[in-house]
Amino acid sequence: AQSVAQPEDQVNVAEGNPLTVKCTYSVSGNPYLFWYVQYPNRGLQFLLKYITGDNLVKGSYGFEAEFNKSQTSFHLKKPSALVSDSALYFCAVRPPASGTYKYIFGTGTRLKVLA
Amino acid sequence: NAGVTQTPKFQVLKTGQSMTLQCAQDMNHEYMSWYRQDPGMGLRLIHYSVGAGITDQGEVPNGYNVSRSTTEDFPLRLLSAAPSQTSVYFCASSYSFRGLYEQYFGPGTRLTVT
Repeated sequence: AQSVAQPEDQVNVAEGNPLTVKCTYSVSGNPYLFWYVQYPNRGLQFLLKYITGDNLVKGSYGFEAEFNKSQTSFHLKKPSALVSDSALYFCAVRPPASGTYKYIFGTGTRLKVLA
Repeated sequence: NAGVTQTPKFQVLKTGQSMTLQCAQDMNHEYMSWYRQDPGMGLRLIHYSVGAGITDQGEVPNGYNVSRSTTEDFPLRLLSAAPSQTSVYFCASSYSFRGLYEQYFGPGTRLTVT
């Protein structure tokens, strides 16, 4: 079965330190990969995506993600965390099969940036 | 642009009642979908649509109906509410053009079924 895994329920990091939020997927072919962020009592906001091309993609608010095909991973990174980055982060995958519009979401990782 | 709008923001239903959650988008997106968000389970797809008149089931469709008569609107109907349908519901939309697949989400509807 196709799936997305976010192995950490919560990640704590000190302000100013680099952060990584992990995502791995199990999808055949070359999927499209996304990261979204959710602030309290809000809908999800798009951060960045990988469709094709350069394995390192840059997105909003200084976030970036690296696509690793051999490890089937798409980890979210930021060089220097801010307290305002504290939120719930979701990794999502859209399988590449023709006509498939079913996005698969991970269970989310809560990021807490400590001042 | 208003983006994706959802009404109501909050709703309390009694078991067995029916209701419709409204969703509208003004970005001319072909693709629209409904998700429910439950603690520890991420987002689960309920139903989706790839255009007016075309809908399909997602991962957890039981107890819900949808229709898509226009590009803009994609209402979700709860036929006979059950406590298991207590959740936060999100509507989302996106283009289906190659490369423009990111979804735009509404603010959500928090539903409680007693």
